[in-house]
Order: sequence, then structure tokens, then C-alpha cells
Amino acid sequence: QSVLTQPPSVSGAPGQRVTISCTGSSSNIGAGYDVHWYQQLPGTAPKLLIYGNSNRPSGVPDRFSGSKSGTSASLAITGLQAEDEADYYCQSYDSSLSAHVVFGGGTKLTVL
Amino acid sequence: EVQLVESGGGLVQPGRSLRLSCAASGFTFDDYAMHWVRQAPGKGLEWVSGISWNSGSIGYADSVKGRFTISRDNAKNSLYLQMNSLRAEDTALYYCAKANRSSWYDWVWFDPWGQGTLVTVSS
Repeated sequence: QSVLTQPPSVSGAPGQRVTISCTGSSSNIGAGYDVHWYQQLPGTAPKLLIYGNSNRPSGVPDRFSGSKSGTSASLAITGLQAEDEADYYCQSYDSSLSAHVVFGGGTKLTVL
Repeated sequence: EVQLVESGGGLVQPGRSLRLSCAASGFTFDDYAMHWVRQAPGKGLEWVSGISWNSGSIGYADSVKGRFTISRDNAKNSLYLQMNSLRAEDTALYYCAKANRSSWYDWVWFDPWGQGTLVTVSS
């Protein structure tokens, strides 16, 4: 089980809006550590999508947005496109006894 | 252009060792922490290890602590992962990733990632 919990899958039709949740605890997201999101297209390496909860790197469309509240974070994708079909991972830091970087289990986005 | 190229993967028997390398280019290597992240076939991402810019601080996942050793050579712009006592569950694609800051912990994210090198542990 991952320290950060994501739904295994989400789906949406082209043009729709989908959200992916990332739930943590008081030792990671709730402790104030930022959440970052990665997109992994089939057969490729992960790519940074959102950093610092809500910031987009250069080149990432503004259809992608992130937010954080309490012990959870969310990734929203609006105007869904076929090329958005990918796996999405959240990442943060955990300050518990085994302090280390933590990932969510990943969410498969299917564009219907 | 920032580029990370991993090498050293392959098929290895359980209990044996393997050393992965990551060649970095396109940025000032010794300004940034570096990490290894792995992905077992069909599974999610798992952080393995991180090292600060000057090797002064290092972290490991519990699953590899005591068996894996991360290191870097700033003169050669290279990152390494020495993997000993390998197990079947270490089978994965191992990615090298650049951190956004000089320390490996706290508010760290990864950009970019290399293409990965595949490690298969099997008899």
C-alpha cells in the first residue's frame, strides 16, 4: 500500500473535466509538504506536470491544475483530450520515522 | 537541454550485485540533489534513494536500506546506484531523476527523468 492514496482509475469523455485525488496524512501532506504531480504516457518516463501543489512547468497546458487542502490534494484536467490518456502520480515527502519521498499508487486516466 | 541517461541494467541472479550509472548533461550537476526511482513491471513508482549535491546527506527507502548504496561523482557528472543482495522484488525499471534543489529531502520534486534502465533479478 502506498503512503499516498489515489483512485486506481478515472475516466471521462473528450471535453469533459476529471479530477484525481491524492490523500495523505499528518506526516506528509498534512504536515505542510507540497504535492507534485507526474504524467506517464504509455511506454515513457514520468514527466513533471504540477509542482508545489499548483504550479505548472513551462509547456504544460493550463488545462491541468492542482490544489491542496488539509491532508489531500487534487489534480484537475479540463477539456479532456485523447492524448491525456496516461497514468498520473502524486508525490510528496513524509517526515515519519522512515522519512522519505513518497508517491501515490497512480491513477489510470481513460479517455472514453 | 537537460539530459539523464541511465545504464548498467541487465539480468542478474538473486543474491548478486549490479551497479547502475546515470550520466547527466545540460545543467550544473553539483548544484542539485539526485534520486533513483523504480517501477516494477505493471506497477507504480517507488522512490529508492536520494543524495544531496555534495553527498553530505543521503536517504534510502526501507525496502533497499542496507543493500543499496547511492553515490555521485560531481567531476564526472554522474550518479550511481550499487545494488547488492538483489532479490526478485527488485526487478524494475530504474529511473534517474534530477531534484529541484540541492538537498534530497523536504520540498523536493523531480524534473527531468531519464528513460530508465531495466534490472531483472531471476535465476
